[in-house]
Amino acid sequence: EVQLVESGGGLAQPGESLRLSCAASGFSFSSYEMNWVRQAPGKGLEWVSYISRSGGTKYYADSVKGRFTISRDNAKNSLYLQMNSLRAEDTAVYYCARDGGIDYWGQGTLVTVSS
Amino acid sequence: QSVLTQPPSASGTPGQRVTISCSGSSSNIGSNYVYWYQQLPGTAPKLLIYRNNQRPSGVPDRFSGSKSGTSASLAISGLRSEDEADYYCAAWDDSLSGPGVFGGGTKLTVL
Repeated sequence: EVQLVESGGGLAQPGESLRLSCAASGFSFSSYEMNWVRQAPGKGLEWVSYISRSGGTKYYADSVKGRFTISRDNAKNSLYLQMNSLRAEDTAVYYCARDGGIDYWGQGTLVTVSS
Repeated sequence: QSVLTQPPSASGTPGQRVTISCSGSSSNIGSNYVYWYQQLPGTAPKLLIYRNNQRPSGVPDRFSGSKSGTSASLAISGLRSEDEADYYCAAWDDSLSGPGVFGGGTKLTVL
């Protein structure tokens, strides 16, 4: 069974940093592209970042470019999102999601940016 | 504003057929696959349709997808109360240097 479990969310002040992690199991992690998608409270989905199987190709939404960094460790079956210079508008549930055409989602981790 | 345009709401009565549209452009829907997701209240999204019109195993055949040019549609037949949810379309966009894009979402109400 495919499982994606996010962690690392919480409360941060504007300008601070957080690192999200996603532990993958039930499939060959290194064989799949991975993504981070977020959803602000009461809002729609926003595709935040994508990483290729090897980690050599990365894409970012304009809203996070230069502040967020996606990475992966295929040996640890883990996906990461380093979030720097956080803003209030980054407040959202962050989902780890599998594949270029997303087929599986984690349950999400809530990030709240507030002073 | 979302790159892909969906109606904010749709409704139907049990047993009816409803469709939800998703409008894009030549750089996204026009040249890439469309995906549809269902999000029940308080839960993570779930894949309903992939590659325009394919259903994952476990998704009832009441759900179907289609694509024509730069638009796509999700059809739900035999509407049931448990279909009340938010529905999102998604596609990659060749004109952007970012990841894929979602529609703004459609809230389906079963009357």
